Amino acid sequence: KAGVTQTPRYLIKTRGQQVTLSCSPISGHRSVSWYQQTPGQGLQFLFEYFSETQRNKGNFPGRFSGRQFSNSRSEMNVSTLELGDSALYLCASSLRTARNEQFFGPGTRLTVL
Amino acid sequence: QKEVEQDPGPLSVPEGAIVSLNCTYSNSAFQYFMWYRQYSRKGPELLMYTYSSGNKEDGRFTAQVDKSSKYISLFIRDSQPSDSATYLCAIPLGAAGNKLTFGGGTRVLVKP
Repeated sequence: KAGVTQTPRYLIKTRGQQVTLSCSPISGHRSVSWYQQTPGQGLQFLFEYFSETQRNKGNFPGRFSGRQFSNSRSEMNVSTLELGDSALYLCASSLRTARNEQFFGPGTRLTVL
Repeated sequence: QKEVEQDPGPLSVPEGAIVSLNCTYSNSAFQYFMWYRQYSRKGPELLMYTYSSGNKEDGRFTAQVDKSSKYISLFIRDSQPSDSATYLCAIPLGAAGNKLTFGGGTRVLVKP
């Protein structure tokens, strides 16, 4: 079974631009969560989508948004990029059942110049 | 106060030694606890999932929860160089427990 895939793997943008990251979950998984990982703040939860609806939300500004499609694939968008948005963005998928295990993708490394 | 805190390390041990990793958490209502392992340039992978207090063993890995102290631990016996990674404790929160709150991670280096 294929794992969680994320595209692109690496991205360089400049301040003020916007970016869209993509995540394809494991087949059959309908929940997709997004996390930001930085050396200073560690791994922080952004949001979770299940059945095309946002179910959980972290403490990030409105510049960070996401969506989920009917095939469970998800995208996250960051508008008006700031230098501090440079991070590894991780996507995780799950079945959303009891003893819920989230399976992480390899991440997208975003660098904002 | 952060919901879960973890010593960042790094922790360097010789091959074969026992690795001891710890986290503290803030809310006594937390019931589920997880340990993830993250290799360089990879996403985290789940190692252990525990509920309530006590020990849980899986091969060379033992997870321990002390709810009275709000303390969780992970022990790695007979450590191998392949165990060199960052270990993160996590607590599932939010709807369906899908909002994982992570400790800062401890980097472990097992030297041959």
